[in-house]
Amino acid sequence: DGGITQSPKYLFRKEGQNVTLSCEQNLNHDAMYWYRQDPGQGLRLIYYSQIVNDFQKGDIAEGYSVSREKKESFPLTVTSAQKNPTAFYLCASSILTGNEQYFGPGTRLTVT
Amino acid sequence: AQSVTQPDIHITVSEGASLELRCNYSYGATPYLFWYVQSPGQGLQLLLKYFSGDTLVQGIKGFEAEFKRSQSSFNLRKPSVHWSDAAEYFCAVGAKGGADGLTFGKGTHLIIQP
Repeated sequence: DGGITQSPKYLFRKEGQNVTLSCEQNLNHDAMYWYRQDPGQGLRLIYYSQIVNDFQKGDIAEGYSVSREKKESFPLTVTSAQKNPTAFYLCASSILTGNEQYFGPGTRLTVT
Repeated sequence: AQSVTQPDIHITVSEGASLELRCNYSYGATPYLFWYVQSPGQGLQLLLKYFSGDTLVQGIKGFEAEFKRSQSSFNLRKPSVHWSDAAEYFCAVGAKGGADGLTFGKGTHLIIQP
């Protein structure tokens, strides 16, 4: 089955630690995205990538970093510089020339 | 800059009643428009999309939406809701032909009364 996987579903970290969230897709999509979701805030774009080895900042990139070494994978690192990292993180992908995005199941990160 | 407004944060509907969720967008060119549904703790599932052509689009689970350019609206409708429709609904707008991220509304939480 084609789709997007995110792991783990729940993640707990201590303040001051970096943490990496995994996102893998087997849809052969060129574009991948990371969103952050907070209650009542909708989804906000963190980073996106249109092609391997290239990515762009979204609206709230501060305190986050990404890499795109393979077409299938787009991991997100939440660094210790992110002031309020506790949130639900969603990964998505789309074909390059369209905007229909497919979403993974999400990772809930809790930092204490 | 593009933006999406969903005026209703919460809506309560009785099971079997009709439903309309409002969405207004701001975008300079012809937009791509989407409705997604999210169950608690889950990812988003695409209900329907509008790219061009017929302004009334049909989606999954019995939902439809109508694009009204003059009103900058893309309201979601369902003639008869089921208890399983209780969820969060997001309207989104994208750039035609682009591949950057979508702009989402803040969502409408749908509650179904028995």
